[in-house]
Amino acid sequence: ILNVEQSPQSLHVQEGDSTNFTCSFPSSNFYALHWYRWETAKSPEALFVMTLNGDEKKKGRISATLNTKEGYSYLYIKGSQPEDSATYLCALTGYGNNRLAFGKGNQVVVIP
Amino acid sequence: GAGVSQSPSNKVTEKGKDVELRCDPISGHTALYWYRQSLGQGLEFLIYFQGNSAPDKSGLPSDRFSAERTGGSVSTLTIQRTQQEDSAVYLCASSLDGTGAGEQYFGPGTRLTVT
Repeated sequence: ILNVEQSPQSLHVQEGDSTNFTCSFPSSNFYALHWYRWETAKSPEALFVMTLNGDEKKKGRISATLNTKEGYSYLYIKGSQPEDSATYLCALTGYGNNRLAFGKGNQVVVIP
Repeated sequence: GAGVSQSPSNKVTEKGKDVELRCDPISGHTALYWYRQSLGQGLEFLIYFQGNSAPDKSGLPSDRFSAERTGGSVSTLTIQRTQQEDSAVYLCASSLDGTGAGEQYFGPGTRLTVT
């Protein structure tokens, strides 16, 4: 069982502020780390897939880093906008196992 | 192009009834997954189909749950004798080749409520 922890569970951010949150996971048997964004009434949407220690990915104002040795990934949102309000899901795949093991998510509410 | 579709979008059923949830994956995707999210929980893996291989059923919570994938495309998740703890959002996802680093494309989900 791959235990994925996300913190904080929820956060409110003022429009224009930057924020970040953490995904931690067991570093043994790591294969890939996925970040998804899930807006209410929509499908989860893939943001990033990272596999290598030190990987950094960026999409617009959202970026992510990966540390496989210590077992964590950070997701950053720069200059938060109301449309960033969503639940951000972190998920792990292990070697020989293609299923995604999800954390409970980081629920972000951006206050205009 | 068309994404993953699921039907119905919402289903309310009485305890003890059987339900069928349908998933249409993206055309050409060989891998198909079912997950569910119960209230207050993270997304939980249920079952995984890859091509013609035997499905990975290790996430199914009880023998009341079953799934099939016909012709390598459409999948149906069946829950027999539903219980209140089966209430959840059931999500289907597909991916091109089922590798651990491959992106999974999710459908909009079916919200199941068992009364």
